[in-house]
Amino acid sequence: AQSVSQHNHHVILSEAASLELGCNYSYGGTVNLFWYVQYPGQHLQLLLKYFSGDPLVKGIKGFEAEFIKSKFSFNLRKPSVQWSDTAEYFCAVNAAGTGGFKTIFGAGTRLFVKA
Amino acid sequence: EAQVTQNPRYLITVTGKKLTVTCSQNMNHEYMSWYRQDPGLGLRQIYYSMNVEVTDKGDVPEGYKVSRKEKRNFPLILESPSPNQTSLYFCASRASEGGWYNSPLHFGNGTRLTVT
Repeated sequence: AQSVSQHNHHVILSEAASLELGCNYSYGGTVNLFWYVQYPGQHLQLLLKYFSGDPLVKGIKGFEAEFIKSKFSFNLRKPSVQWSDTAEYFCAVNAAGTGGFKTIFGAGTRLFVKA
Repeated sequence: EAQVTQNPRYLITVTGKKLTVTCSQNMNHEYMSWYRQDPGLGLRQIYYSMNVEVTDKGDVPEGYKVSRKEKRNFPLILESPSPNQTSLYFCASRASEGGWYNSPLHFGNGTRLTVT
């Protein structure tokens, strides 16, 4: 079955530290990949997405992610985090051809940035 | 403003008392879906709808019903709520033009349901 794994459930960083959140998916077909962010008390918002082309995609607020097809990975990065990046981050996959027309989410990673 | 609107934001109820959570989107999206979010489990899909009068089960449909009589509305119905349905619920929609799998989801603000 298709699945999305996020390596860390909780991450604590100090401001200005670099961030990398891991995401791996299991699906052999064509995939479209997303990172969503959920700020405290808010709904999920799109951070960035990958469909095709350049495997390094840039999103809002200085975030970027790299798609490595051979590793089935789509890790999220930011060179220097801010206190306002405190949120929960979800990796997600739209898996074409599953027949179920669904987006599969990882369990999420809670990021806390210390000021 | 393009948005997905859910109501209510917070709901406390008792076991067995039927309730409905409403969801409406103003983006003319064909696809709508309901998710529940639980700590450590991420978002799990309850039901989804590809278009009016077309609905299908997601991963955790037990204890829930949905209907899609109009394109903009997709209510979630709990006929007899139980404590294990205490959760945070999100409605979402997605455009279908250009291929559904290319489109991100647009989420509502969530409904925090507590069943005692």
